[in-house]
Amino acid sequence: AQKVTQAQTEISVVEKEDVTLDCVYETRDTTYYLFWYKQPPSGELVFLIRRNSFDEQNEISGRYSWNFQKSTSSFNFTITASQVVDSAVYFCALSEVLSGSARQLTFGSGTQLTVLP
Amino acid sequence: DVKVTQSSRYLVKRTGEKVFLECVQDMDHENMFWYRQDPGLGLRLIYFSYDVKMKEKGDIPEGYSVSREKKERFSLILESASTNQTSMYLCASSLSKLFAYEQYFGPGTRLTVT
Repeated sequence: AQKVTQAQTEISVVEKEDVTLDCVYETRDTTYYLFWYKQPPSGELVFLIRRNSFDEQNEISGRYSWNFQKSTSSFNFTITASQVVDSAVYFCALSEVLSGSARQLTFGSGTQLTVLP
Repeated sequence: DVKVTQSSRYLVKRTGEKVFLECVQDMDHENMFWYRQDPGLGLRLIYFSYDVKMKEKGDIPEGYSVSREKKERFSLILESASTNQTSMYLCASSLSKLFAYEQYFGPGTRLTVT
């Protein structure tokens, strides 16, 4: 069975600090997809990124960057120069692909990030 | 932009009541999902549907049923609400039956069963 672990339950940083959210996953398949979602206080989850298991290139989008390492089964998320608006719960998720169609999305338990002014 | 709407943000029901949670998406997505979110447990899949009148059980279907009579609408039904069903319920949709597509979420319904 697939599993996603976000060991950091809560993180608190001061504005402008960099912060990394950890995500470790378990899967038996060689083909899978990883996701990050943000859930601000309003409650609605917002899709941030999708990465397939064959693409190990790191990705940067503005202040956000993602580090995918298959060797350690990790897909970590870094926010550079954090801002108060980054305060939210962040979820990592995993979807395995079997026989041409994907199985269900498995979510980690989430990391509550608080950015203090 | 994809819009997923849920009928209520907050709902309070009594034990034993039948509860309907409605979800509507406006982007002609094939897939729709119901999750519940509880502290420390992340999101857990209750049911999903990849086509009209089709449904599949997720990880925690017990005590729930669903209905999808139209492509844009997916309803979650609690036949006899119990206090352990107090939770945040999130609806989502995605483009096709392949779970590799990103899911778009509604704002959630916080249900309290007393």
